[in-house]
Formats: sequence, structure tokens, C-alpha cells
Amino acid sequence: QTVVTQEPSLTVSPGGTVTLTCASSTGAVTSDYYPNWFQQKPGQAPRTLIYSTSNKPSWTPARFSGSLLGGKAALTLSGVQPEDEAEYYCLLYSGGAGVFGGGTKLTVL
Amino acid sequence: EVQLVESGGGLVKPGESLGLSCAASGFTFSNAWMTWVRQAPGKGLEWVGRIKSKTDGGTTDYAAPVKGRFTISRDDSKNTLYLQMNSLKTEDTAVYYCASTNYWGQGTLVTVSS
Repeated sequence: QTVVTQEPSLTVSPGGTVTLTCASSTGAVTSDYYPNWFQQKPGQAPRTLIYSTSNKPSWTPARFSGSLLGGKAALTLSGVQPEDEAEYYCLLYSGGAGVFGGGTKLTVL
Repeated sequence: EVQLVESGGGLVKPGESLGLSCAASGFTFSNAWMTWVRQAPGKGLEWVGRIKSKTDGGTTDYAAPVKGRFTISRDDSKNTLYLQMNSLKTEDTAVYYCASTNYWGQGTLVTVSS
């Protein structure tokens, strides 16, 4: 059973840059894992930010970007806004099944 | 406008069964790979399973905790996704979301309790 690991929490100042990562217990994350990133605010359904490593739906702001970094999937927020405070989840696919990371609580302070 | 609307949630006892539906609109449902995701109260997201489009084989994949108990199916003529849950356990208590290609429903709550 694959385990996907994210930072439990991160804090960033408004206007700053932060990178969230997503690691797999099976080894280096590649594009074959089709990394997805989701944002969830309290009381709301999740919203897709990034799919297939670095692709964005039309609603994802330009300050969000996805990549592969040092064997992990990464989500970078540049020019963080107060409304970016939320829980962020990554999802990796391995052997046909998906596995979510535990989520990163991003605080903008 | 894409809409995914889940229904069928409720309170059931351990060992009982429950079926969920997800009505889709605003996109070509028959071409979409559809996914069920759940979230236990106060916890993170958990991938439940996925069904491919019929043109891609219509096959299903499940997470280990639900394999053999849950069944995902689809009716492309009704633009509807289903999740049949059998032998429910208290740990299946969660909000269940359906999702497709970047879109999510609002979820339906399933509570398993005696």
C-alpha cells in the first residue's frame, strides 16, 4: 500500500512564495503518477488546482504552479494571497489506484 | 455549466448496505472517467475508487479498504454514477464526493452507527 507524504503544515507571509511537496513511499514521483493538487477550505468541497503534474483548469490563478522537484511532486504558490489559506492535498496514481497525501495546512500570516 | 450532484446519503447500521448516486450534467458524461472520494469527519481526503469510460474499457479500481465491499457503476444513458456500499463499517462514515476531470460535487454524508 503506497503512502503519500505531505508537510503537515506550512506558514507563509502575504506576498511570499511557498512550495508544498508530495512524496511517494514507492520512490521518486514521476509524471506517470499523474500528480494532482487540490485546495479545500473549511466547509467546502475540494477544488482542483493542478492535474497531471502541471496542468491547470481555467479557474486556477497564475500564482499556482505544479512541477516535479527532487523526486517529489511540488505545488508552488508565488505572491501568496490571504485567500490562499487552506488545506492542500496531493493525489498520486499507482497501479491504477489513487492515493491522497495527508494534506498540508497552509497558514498565511 | 458542469454540475455533479450526489444523493443517497444517510444513517445506516453496521453491516447494512447503502447506494449513492451522482447526477452529472454540463459535459459529455460517457467520455469521462469518474471517481469517488470520501472524507471522514475532521480528516483528510481518501480515494475510494474510479470507473473508466466505456470506450476506455469501463473498468474499475478500488482502494484496499473498500475492495470487495463497494461497487462503482455508471449509466451513461442517465448521466449517472453509482456507488453501492455493502457490509458497511463505522469507519466508512464520511462525506462522499464524486469527481470528474477537475470537477467535484458537494458531497453526501454517510453515517454508519448502531
